[in-house]
Amino acid sequence: DGGITQSPKYLFRKEGQNVTLSCEQNLNHDAMYWYRQDPGQGLRLIYYSQIVNDFQKGDIAEGYSVSREKKESFPLTVTSAQKNPTAFYLCASTSSGNTIYFGEGSWLTVV
Amino acid sequence: LAKTTQPISMDSYEGQEVNITCSHNNIATNDYITWYQQFPSQGPRFIIQGYKTKVTNEVASLFIPADRKSSTLSLPRVSLSDTAVYYCLYTRGQNFVFGPGTRLSVLP
Repeated sequence: DGGITQSPKYLFRKEGQNVTLSCEQNLNHDAMYWYRQDPGQGLRLIYYSQIVNDFQKGDIAEGYSVSREKKESFPLTVTSAQKNPTAFYLCASTSSGNTIYFGEGSWLTVV
Repeated sequence: LAKTTQPISMDSYEGQEVNITCSHNNIATNDYITWYQQFPSQGPRFIIQGYKTKVTNEVASLFIPADRKSSTLSLPRVSLSDTAVYYCLYTRGQNFVFGPGTRLSVLP
């Protein structure tokens, strides 16, 4: 089936650790996005990529990093510089620029 | 500054029609308006999309006035399973401007 796969669904991070969230899509979409969602809140853009080997910062990029080495993959690394990383992370993609499709999300918790 | 506003929450009873309005200033000529539904711990799911006037599909209708500065999502005869957060959004260049979401609670 076509879609966006995020893994893992639940991830725990110790203080000072970097963790990476995976996002894979088989929709042949050019653009991919990462959003952060805090409990009871809306979506905030972290990073986006319009094409392979290129990406742009969103509204809350500090403490995060991404790569786009393949069209279908857009992993997000939450670095130790992100002081409050506990949140729900959503990966998304689009081809037309009008309709965006989301993965099922990943929960990250600091322990 | 692009901004989208929606009511924070709404309550309804089963079987009623629910209308959720979103205001989107600075919407551009080529932007489409899209509505999504989100359940807890899940990704938002596409409901309906439109450009102007009225669009209807099997689950909802979308009304967009001529000036396109607002849109109204209409859910006919809601059920308990429609309890969720509903987001409107439109495109802004290469990105998407999301509303803050409306938390709809459907009561028995």
